[in-house]
Amino acid sequence: GESVGLHLPTLSVQEGDNSIINCAYSNSASDYFIWYKQESGKGPQFIIDIRSNMDKRQGQRVTVLLNKTVKHLSLQIAATQPGDSAVYFCAEIPSNFGNEKLTFGTGTRLTIIP
Amino acid sequence: EAGVAQSPRYKIIEKRQSVAFWCNPISGHATLYWYQQILGQGPKLLIQFQNNGVVDDSQLPKDRFSAERLKGVDSTLKIQPAKLEDSAVYLCASSWNGGEETQYFGPGTRLLVL
Repeated sequence: GESVGLHLPTLSVQEGDNSIINCAYSNSASDYFIWYKQESGKGPQFIIDIRSNMDKRQGQRVTVLLNKTVKHLSLQIAATQPGDSAVYFCAEIPSNFGNEKLTFGTGTRLTIIP
Repeated sequence: EAGVAQSPRYKIIEKRQSVAFWCNPISGHATLYWYQQILGQGPKLLIQFQNNGVVDDSQLPKDRFSAERLKGVDSTLKIQPAKLEDSAVYLCASSWNGGEETQYFGPGTRLLVL
C-alpha cells in the first residue's frame, strides 16, 4: 500500500552543526508535504510545508527539499540547538479528490549533543 | 491565537471500561480530526469532521469507538469498551477547510488501558 517512510529512525548531531532528516514517499499522487516536530509529551508542531510544484522551500533555519523523480523529501536544520531535539515526522497529502488524508511516516528522533 | 485544546491530558482505565476525550479546535476552523498515535509510530487518522458532518471515518473501529461534533465546534471521542491495545495518545487537530492545508495539533490525551 501507499506509505511514507524514513530512512533513519535516530540521528545524533553536535550542537551548532547542520542536520539532515530524510523521508521517502511512495504515493506518486502526493501533492502536499509537511514536516512536523514532536517534542516529548506534546502534539506535532508544524515546521514547514512544500507543494509538489516546488523543489525547495526555506524557513527560519530550516529548508525542505523535494525530489519528485525519486520520491524523496528532506528537512535540513541549520546551526542546530538543544531545543531542536525531538521526533520529526514527514507527512503527505495526496491530491486524489476525496482522499486528501494526511499520512504520517514513522518519524526520526533527532538528538542534539551539547 | 489560541491553539487546539484537549482534555484530559492523561487517563488510566481498566480494560472494558469506557472513556471520553474532548477537543476544542482553533476558532474558525471548520475541519476537525482525531488521530491515534501508538508509541513509536506516527499519528493515524481515526475520523475527520467538516463542521458537524463526518467526512472520513474509514479507520475508526466503530464497534467500540464513536465521535461527535454536534454543533460544529467542540468534539468528543469515546471508547467503549476499551481494550489493552487502545493504549495510545489521542490527538485532535484542526484546519480551516480540510484538503491540502496545514493541520494544527493539540497536546493530546495519553490513555493507558490496564
